[in-house]
Amino acid sequence: GNSVTQMEGPVTLSEEAFLTINCTYTATGYPSLFWYVQYPGEGLQLLLKATKADDKGSNKGFEATYRKETTSFHLEKGSVQVSDSAVYFCALISAGGANSKLTFGKGITLSVRP
Amino acid sequence: GAGVSQSPRYKVAKRGQDVALRCDPISGHVSLFWYQQALGQGPEFLTYFQNEAQLDKSGLPSDRFFAERPEGSVSTLKIQRTQQEDSAVYLCASSLEGGLRIQYFGAGTRLSVL
Repeated sequence: GNSVTQMEGPVTLSEEAFLTINCTYTATGYPSLFWYVQYPGEGLQLLLKATKADDKGSNKGFEATYRKETTSFHLEKGSVQVSDSAVYFCALISAGGANSKLTFGKGITLSVRP
Repeated sequence: GAGVSQSPRYKVAKRGQDVALRCDPISGHVSLFWYQQALGQGPEFLTYFQNEAQLDKSGLPSDRFFAERPEGSVSTLKIQRTQQEDSAVYLCASSLEGGLRIQYFGAGTRLSVL
């Protein structure tokens, strides 16, 4: 079956530090890949996505590249801000399925200190 | 509406009680999903509707869980004879059919079973 593995957290960084959050996946075929973010007290929001190999998703200074050879979709940001403090989830949707259900990783909590 | 609306935001139930959780999707969204998020975990798929048809209920953990969407809009997730292990946040998401299938999430209902 499908699965998503995220690095263990939590992660605490100083403002303007570089961020990498690792994500690897197991799926048949070519899934679509997503990063969702959950700010305190709010619902999950789509941060970025990629639908085929070598695609790069980007939004709000965050980037992630769909790497089929390593089955990875690592999230990066060059300079984090306090407002980036949230829980980040990597997720996938299987290709070709009639049901576009998301399979999520466990999530990782990011805290950015001033 | 502007987003996916879920009610109530918080629900406390005594073990053995029945509960009903409501989801009001974004207007015009054909697909609707329910997910269960245990503390410290990523959301896990419960069930999926396309319009009023429940096309996948493979994630429902037991026959105490029942979902419906009778008119293809509002959906209700019902849990009968609640148990402590049902304590979780229940998330609803909706999406347009086809395309990139981006799912938009509500803020969730936090269920605590005492």
